Amino acid sequence: GEQVEQLPSILRVQEGSSASINCTYENSASNYFPWYKQEPGENPKLIIDIRSNMERKQTQGLIVLLDKKAKRFSLHITDTQPGDSAMYFCAARDTNAYKVIFGKGTHLHVLP
Amino acid sequence: EAGVTQSPRYAVLQEGQAVSFWCDPISGHDTLYWYQQPRDQGPQLLVYFRDEAVIDNSQLPSDRFSAVRPKGTNSTLKIQSAKQGDTATYLCASSRTGGEDTQYFGPGTRLLVL
Repeated sequence: GEQVEQLPSILRVQEGSSASINCTYENSASNYFPWYKQEPGENPKLIIDIRSNMERKQTQGLIVLLDKKAKRFSLHITDTQPGDSAMYFCAARDTNAYKVIFGKGTHLHVLP
Repeated sequence: EAGVTQSPRYAVLQEGQAVSFWCDPISGHDTLYWYQQPRDQGPQLLVYFRDEAVIDNSQLPSDRFSAVRPKGTNSTLKIQSAKQGDTATYLCASSRTGGEDTQYFGPGTRLLVL
């Protein structure tokens, strides 16, 4: 299978709190897991990624975790701000074929 | 470094009309992807190329959609006879095998089929 499941589809959080988005994948050959942020009318932009040789990566208020055994990865946004409101997509890439499959997205609303 | 460029940015068609979308990937990127993104959904892979070769077009509706990348650089996605269900944004992305291999997206073409 090649599906990437992403939950939740909608997430509302208070400004200053953290937000978490979870994804699972089926293809055990996946080795690269990017996260994209998409604002209305814009194209998806890469915000952070993690490769299969890592379990955790952190940059500028974003943390990604990867559990290869469970085929699960997650994005955690700390200290959310109104500017974080957007659609977020996880994706998984096959190590050999370079095929990239996206999750269905999470609409994050950061409430003031 | 110039990003991925796409044209046109918008297209409005009647059902049954044909349309072509054009993509110019980042220079040096050997892999090129076409995605369909319906409103409020994730990008869905249609087809991707490594250089001029089609690697996977299993999700491309072959009776009406076609895609080519004849010289391994620019690519064209064509819809032969558009349907209302084709209304979506069509995104092109490129990456370099063996490099940082990050996938970069173009601005997309918004298609509305009436």
